[in-house]
Amino acid sequence: NAGVTQTPKFQVLKTGQSMTLQCAQDMNHEYMSWYRQDPGMGLRLIHYSVGAGITDQGEVPNGYNVSRSTTEDFPLRLLSAAPSQTSVYFCASIPGGSMNTEAFFGQGTRLTVV
Amino acid sequence: SQKIEQNSEALNIQEGKTATLTCNYTNYSPAYLQWYRQDPGRGPVFLLLIRENEKEKRKERLKVTFDTTLKQSLFHITASQPADSATYLCVRTPGSGNTGKLIFGQGTTLQVKP
Repeated sequence: NAGVTQTPKFQVLKTGQSMTLQCAQDMNHEYMSWYRQDPGMGLRLIHYSVGAGITDQGEVPNGYNVSRSTTEDFPLRLLSAAPSQTSVYFCASIPGGSMNTEAFFGQGTRLTVV
Repeated sequence: SQKIEQNSEALNIQEGKTATLTCNYTNYSPAYLQWYRQDPGRGPVFLLLIRENEKEKRKERLKVTFDTTLKQSLFHITASQPADSATYLCVRTPGSGNTGKLIFGQGTTLQVKP
């Protein structure tokens, strides 16, 4: 199993551009989430999904869209990039049945918006 | 708002000593707390989970305690090694109700010197 795979690892965008951060997991996990990590702050939840076709907003959803058409994939779309979205983004998955189990994280995408 | 607070100052200790990291929570009583390790440029990796009705949990050189009176969890690494140097994250999981939301502390960086 590859676990949770995020692409790309690094990205530089110009203000106003759009892009999609990819996240795929091969563990058949029900729950998937997107977080951003900024210096001095904990990981903050952007959007999450409890199953295919079901998504919901987290703590900092503005400027981001998600969809979950399959169990495996949970892409994060930046609609119009802003410098405030410069951050490291992590995707995570959790096995279904209980939230209170180990979360598996991808390696992260480091995004810079200039 | 519900908060998880960790000491943001780096912890520097000598190899062989016990490292103790603190996690405090406010405004709620989490049913579960998890601890993760994060190395630079990588995603968090799960270490231990403790339930509120458990006073202590151990795994090899790691020990976690949960004090609901003090609203605090302590994470101990005994016989620390330079390879233990990393950032350690305290995470609250939702307990009942699987909503996909994890709440992270900002992390404490541990540096173990040889």
